[in-house]
Amino acid sequence: GIQVEQSPPDLILQEGANSTLRCNFSDSVNNLQWFHQNPWGQLINLFYIPSGTKQNGRLSATTVATERYSLLYISSSQTTDSGVYFCAVGSGTYKYIFGTGTRLKVLA
Amino acid sequence: DAGVTQSPTHLIKTRGQQVTLRCSPISGHKSVSWYQQVLGQGPQFIFQYYEKEERGRGNFPDRFSARQFPNYSSELNVNALLLGDSALYLCASSPGTNYEQYFGPGTRLTVT
Repeated sequence: GIQVEQSPPDLILQEGANSTLRCNFSDSVNNLQWFHQNPWGQLINLFYIPSGTKQNGRLSATTVATERYSLLYISSSQTTDSGVYFCAVGSGTYKYIFGTGTRLKVLA
Repeated sequence: DAGVTQSPTHLIKTRGQQVTLRCSPISGHKSVSWYQQVLGQGPQFIFQYYEKEERGRGNFPDRFSARQFPNYSSELNVNALLLGDSALYLCASSPGTNYEQYFGPGTRLTVT
């Protein structure tokens, strides 16, 4: 099955700093999402981005499907950005494979 | 519009017992998927249902079962609970089988 690797596993930033999170996947996919999991466990949709580039405020994402990776950019980080960021990919019609996540901590 | 809802929020069960978790999808969504997330890991796929039929099953034992009702809500049942079943159980809803998924707040199950 598809393998999904995320890097870095842990990241500590000072408030206001920028960061790039990476998701590599081992096979072609037709679905890809980025999620932020808050401390209460809720998975919050950030981007649905099987290919191309999208931006939403301080966040943006790029997926290069032919090279099997996706990047999530966080600019001007805030303490509320802390949490775990997951990339999830799907190649069939019914399931997502999640990466192991990047645990982000933003310090005030 | 209401998002995905799950009940209960938390529950504690004893080894060997049975548990039923419930999920209501976003209005208009016909697909419901279930995931298990143990502490420190990413969610693992358990089932997907679409139009009341099972469309996919992950690598989980037969103690796990699910169903989808005519109103597209879903139940996940786990029999003969083990300590290792302690996890956050997440439900995701989508319009169909190959679309963006939206997750509920989860049910945190503790097995003692």
